[in-house]
Amino acid sequence: NAGVTQTPKFQVLKTGQSMTLQCAQDMNHNSMYWYRQDPGMGLRLIYYSASEGTTDKGEVPNGYNVSRLNKREFSLRLESAAPSQTSVYFCASRLDSNNEKLFFGSGTQLSVL
Amino acid sequence: QKEVEQDPGPLSVPEGAIVSLNCTYSNSAFQYFMWYRQYSRKGPELLMYTYSSGNKEDGRFTAQVDKSSKYISLFIRDSQPSDSATYLCAMSASSYKLIFGSGTRLLVRP
Repeated sequence: NAGVTQTPKFQVLKTGQSMTLQCAQDMNHNSMYWYRQDPGMGLRLIYYSASEGTTDKGEVPNGYNVSRLNKREFSLRLESAAPSQTSVYFCASRLDSNNEKLFFGSGTQLSVL
Repeated sequence: QKEVEQDPGPLSVPEGAIVSLNCTYSNSAFQYFMWYRQYSRKGPELLMYTYSSGNKEDGRFTAQVDKSSKYISLFIRDSQPSDSATYLCAMSASSYKLIFGSGTRLLVRP
């Protein structure tokens, strides 16, 4: 039972490079989320997808785009990476937007030089 | 001012101690309250969930919510070295948007 799987686990980028973080869940969840975690800041919501076919901005969406490819997969794209995007990124999912239990992936540690 | 405040710690206690972790918040509309545990280099996992005010107990863990004081607590009885982790509080007014605290690092010494 894999749960929420994120790839890659680690990535180093140069300023201006682009990359896509992948996330897949095998729990048949409708809602999926992308968070970033920075020291002293807690988890902040970047984008979310309440259901397949919908995406919405969260608290800190600037510099990011997302794609809900299908019910299982929700990707996060950095078009032109900046040092301020150095962070740990977590994907999460839950059954639907009214269910309190969020399941998190193990994270992607991203450094932008 | 942050919507949710949490002391970052670290909090160091001997094995067997009772641990008290706390969060304060400013938004009186919050009604869903959660505690997540996060081990190093892992994603958070849900420990406790409480709706509105009151207490909830699950094994060695007790969650308390005091809405009049805008204060929530997590108590861990008979703490174990395996409880060493970062504990994040989270809360929301509507169930879709969670606001997380910055986390408290707990170290339980053998």
